[in-house]
Amino acid sequence: AQSVTQLDSQVPVFEEAPVELRCNYSSSVSVYLFWYVQYPNQGLQLLLKYLSGSTLVKGINGFEAEFNKSQTSFHLRKPSVHISDTAEYFCAVRSTGGGNKLTFGTGTQLKVEL
Amino acid sequence: DAEITQSPRHKITETGRQVTLACHQTWNHNNMFWYRQDLGHGLRLIHYSYGVQDTNKGEVSDGYSVSRSNTEDLPLTLESAASSQTSVYFCASSLGATGELFFGEGSRLTVL
Repeated sequence: AQSVTQLDSQVPVFEEAPVELRCNYSSSVSVYLFWYVQYPNQGLQLLLKYLSGSTLVKGINGFEAEFNKSQTSFHLRKPSVHISDTAEYFCAVRSTGGGNKLTFGTGTQLKVEL
Repeated sequence: DAEITQSPRHKITETGRQVTLACHQTWNHNNMFWYRQDLGHGLRLIHYSYGVQDTNKGEVSDGYSVSRSNTEDLPLTLESAASSQTSVYFCASSLGATGELFFGEGSRLTVL
């Protein structure tokens, strides 16, 4: 079984500042990793995913994440945030060996302030 | 455009009543999932299906059931609603091995 830990429940940041949202996972097998974003009163949308290959993954809206196998981490970063990035962000994991169900973290609320 | 729709978007019911939340997708995806979202818990998997006539329990399946009679639909039934089932419910679907899920907009259920 897999698990995901998002240690920061809320991250406040000023507009145009950089941000990092932390995600650590636990798994005894190889994994795929995902970041999803949820805007108020909406469903979740995929930001980016790591399946294989380069450990630095670029996604939509200027976000990127780096897969670090030794530290079992998949932190999400953006060099300069905008007010419109205010949302909840979820890290998710699934095993590579069959089955498509994702295990989600508890989410990080990113609040961008002027 | 292909999409995934949930209904109703909002529902208030009483303890003990049966409730069914509908989920319909037009992507022809084999895999469908139901999650519930609660503050402090993120999204937790209730039930999932990998194809017609296939259903499986997730981590919080007690008090819920699903059926898959066709590719497009996976209704979620609460046999006897309880206050602990007050939550926002999300349906999702995916096609294959990459596991990318496409989500509906959610159904907010209040059990009084």
